[in-house]
Amino acid sequence: GQQLNQSPQSMFIQEGEDVSMNCTSSSIFNTWLWYKQDPGEGPVLLIALYKAGELTSNGRLTAQFGITRKDSFLNISASIPSDVGIYFCAGQYNYGQNFVFGPGTRLSVLP
Amino acid sequence: DADVTQTPRNRITKTGKRIMLECSQTKGHDRMYWYRQDPGLGLRLIYYSFDVKDINKGEISDGYSVSRQAQAKFSLSLESAIPNQTALYFCATSGRYTGELFFGEGSRLTVL
Repeated sequence: GQQLNQSPQSMFIQEGEDVSMNCTSSSIFNTWLWYKQDPGEGPVLLIALYKAGELTSNGRLTAQFGITRKDSFLNISASIPSDVGIYFCAGQYNYGQNFVFGPGTRLSVLP
Repeated sequence: DADVTQTPRNRITKTGKRIMLECSQTKGHDRMYWYRQDPGLGLRLIYYSFDVKDINKGEISDGYSVSRQAQAKFSLSLESAIPNQTALYFCATSGRYTGELFFGEGSRLTVL
């Protein structure tokens, strides 16, 4: 099935650094979701975006809905060790349609 | 307590056995989903249900069946488990008029 593309696949950063990752699609979406998943656990919804150009924050996390509606970005500021995990995006064209997922970006934070 | 609860969290079984994974939710959502997650393959949709009388196949439904016993309950069955069904399984829910999808904590299934 269709999948979203995420980059980078993995990243190692120093504690305190800012992080940026993105998610792209060949199709447009009207909803973008960002999740964090810890090993063996369920994905936890971080941010939901519903409008092109929208910028939404959740604590140190900020996500943007791309103007073209084919991409979205997630930034984490001042990273801390508990930010370690896999971050993945999901898109939905319309309510009632199924979600499409990215493969994830694995984040490691070095002390 | 979790809004989307899955049982069991871990299960080891043998080839040919019947397995049921259960999901219950307290979010009041109409829509429920079962996904499978494998390393490198991401989340893949097995079955979904938009209300109690509605059941739909996802992209990888072969070898699986589901039952929507109530608005809050959606179970996944493997009639005759095989080793390549070893994976992490997630139940998820969404509201009819919202674009948010909420996951359970996962059920890790190992088929020997």
